Amino acid sequence: EVQLLESGGGLVQPGESLRLSCAASGFTFSSYVMTWVRQAPGKGLEWLSAIGGGGSSSYYSDSVKGRFTISRDNSNNTLYLQMSSLRAEDTAVYYCAKGGGNWVSYFDSWGQGTLVTVSS
Amino acid sequence: EIVLTQSPGTLSLSPGERATLSCRASQSVSSNYLAWYQQKPGQAPRLLIFGASSRATGIADRFSGSGSGTDFTLTVSRLEPEDFAVYYCQQYGSSPRTFGQGTKVEIK
Repeated sequence: EVQLLESGGGLVQPGESLRLSCAASGFTFSSYVMTWVRQAPGKGLEWLSAIGGGGSSSYYSDSVKGRFTISRDNSNNTLYLQMSSLRAEDTAVYYCAKGGGNWVSYFDSWGQGTLVTVSS
Repeated sequence: EIVLTQSPGTLSLSPGERATLSCRASQSVSSNYLAWYQQKPGQAPRLLIFGASSRATGIADRFSGSGSGTDFTLTVSRLEPEDFAVYYCQQYGSSPRTFGQGTKVEIK
């Protein structure tokens, strides 16, 4: 059974940094594209970033490009999202999601999410 | 960027009724790479449909997807109590991946 467990969320002040983790199990982690999606309180879903199975290719939405960095540790089956220069509008639940074996794929498994609150 | 517009924003129906949800894209979705997700309060989204019309593993056959190009539909043939939720469409054929704003299906 695929399991994704996010951690690392919390309350931070504007301008600070935070690193989210997503521990994966139940599948061959290194074979799949992984993605971060967020959801602001009471709002819809927003795709943020994706990383290829080998970790060498990654993509970002314009809203986080230059501030967020996606990475993965295939030896420990863990996905990361390093967030810097955080803003109030980054307040959201952050989900990691499993993609397919190539870039063109839907998200077939999701974690339960971790809440990030950016406030002074 | 492909903008997905879902309608209606809210659908008020009774259990047993048919639900028809629309997702319209601002430009053609490549190879019908269109997915539908269901989200209940406090839960993560769950994949229902991919490739516009293929049901994900374990999804009841009362859920069906159709459409191509720029117009897509999710149909729930007979609403069960557990189907009242928010539904999102998403395209995964172009970058950046984008979601619709969601349709809430509520109990009438």
